[in-house]
Amino acid sequence: EVQLLESGGGLVQPGGSLRLSCAASGFTFSNYAMSWVRQAPGKGLEWVSGIYGSGGSTFYADSVKGRFTISRDNSKNTLSLQMDSLRAEDTAVYYCAKEMGITYDSFDIWGQGTMVTVSS
Amino acid sequence: DIQMTQSPSTLSASVGDRVTISCRASQSISSWLAWYQQKPGKAPKLLIYKASSLESGVPSRFSGSGSGTEFTLTISSLQPDDFATYYCQQYNSYLLTFGGGTKVEIK
Repeated sequence: EVQLLESGGGLVQPGGSLRLSCAASGFTFSNYAMSWVRQAPGKGLEWVSGIYGSGGSTFYADSVKGRFTISRDNSKNTLSLQMDSLRAEDTAVYYCAKEMGITYDSFDIWGQGTMVTVSS
Repeated sequence: DIQMTQSPSTLSASVGDRVTISCRASQSISSWLAWYQQKPGKAPKLLIYKASSLESGVPSRFSGSGSGTEFTLTISSLQPDDFATYYCQQYNSYLLTFGGGTKVEIK
């Protein structure tokens, strides 16, 4: 069964850091681009960051550029998002999502999401 | 960045109705458009990709059309399970962007 399982969410103070992980199973992980997509409470979907299947190229939304770092370990089928200098506006459910191709594409598989709350 | 504008933001309809949701891109995205359905507390689900291709397992009452900057999601006969929020998404290039969403409510 194709599956994505996120972990690492929680409560963090403004200015703090958090690292999200996404464990993938049921497909050849290195063959697909992956992204993080977030959804603030009661709001719409916002793409946060993406990485090619090879891991050679990474991309970020302007709202997180310079603060977040996406990475992947194809040997462990794991996607990560290192989030630094967190702000209240980063509070959201963070979804790990598999893209249909090796570069940017539509998202055919989503994780269940992990909640990140930035508050003092 | 490519901006995606959905309309309407809310739609009230009855079971059996034909429903149409529009999505407009701020510049041409060819056919690089997807549609998702999301229910409260759940992850989004892919319905349509490449503007008109039906994802495997999605009922045939869902269809997509359009190219360039104008796109449409149509539900031919609304079913009780279809009351949800729908999002369009462009993938012409990174930065990927979503529309603001259309909530389909029971009339």
